[in-house]
Amino acid sequence: GQSLEQPSEVTAVEGAIVQINCTYQTSGFYGLSWYQQHDGGAPTFLSYNALDGLEETGRFSSFLSRSDSYGYLLLQELQMKDSASYFCAVAPLGGGNKLTFGTGTQLKVEL
Amino acid sequence: DGGITQSPKYLFRKEGQNVTLSCEQNLNHDAMYWYRQDPGQGLRLIYYSQIVNDFQKGDIAEGYSVSREKKESFPLTVTSAQKNPTAFYLCASIDRSGTEAFFGQGTRLTVV
Repeated sequence: GQSLEQPSEVTAVEGAIVQINCTYQTSGFYGLSWYQQHDGGAPTFLSYNALDGLEETGRFSSFLSRSDSYGYLLLQELQMKDSASYFCAVAPLGGGNKLTFGTGTQLKVEL
Repeated sequence: DGGITQSPKYLFRKEGQNVTLSCEQNLNHDAMYWYRQDPGQGLRLIYYSQIVNDFQKGDIAEGYSVSREKKESFPLTVTSAQKNPTAFYLCASIDRSGTEAFFGQGTRLTVV
């Protein structure tokens, strides 16, 4: 099976930079995705890494290292509206399009 | 506007009843998914379907059933065999690239 572990909670101040890690145990996968979910809402797509390295999308960047079984989401210039839960996800090789999510990280942005 | 529509937004079920949650998409996606989310928890996969008339069990399929008679529709039935059905249910679809999943707004099911 697949296992994706994330820290349960991260707290940071407005304007800061925060990194949310995702470590995984899976035999192989197509790519690593990141999603944001505000309380009571639906997850929305943030970023995708098919290859190792850094992908930048505005204030959000995502990184993948397959050799280290590790990825992270980097949020810069934090804003209060970034307070939400963040999930990494993989679609495993050989599993068709089974899409498995990580345990999730709740980010709290403080003044 | 393309997207995924879930209904109803809130659903109340008496113990022992079966209920069906609707999920419709007009994104022309082949793959569709159902997830369960409990308060403060992650998304756990119930069932998924890659093509019409075919679906597979996810990690927590017991007490649930699905059908995929049309590409656009993937309804989930929560049966009386599901002992703890109170949760937030999310439906999603994904295109062939597998890059980005699109979610409906969810159905919050409560057993009364």
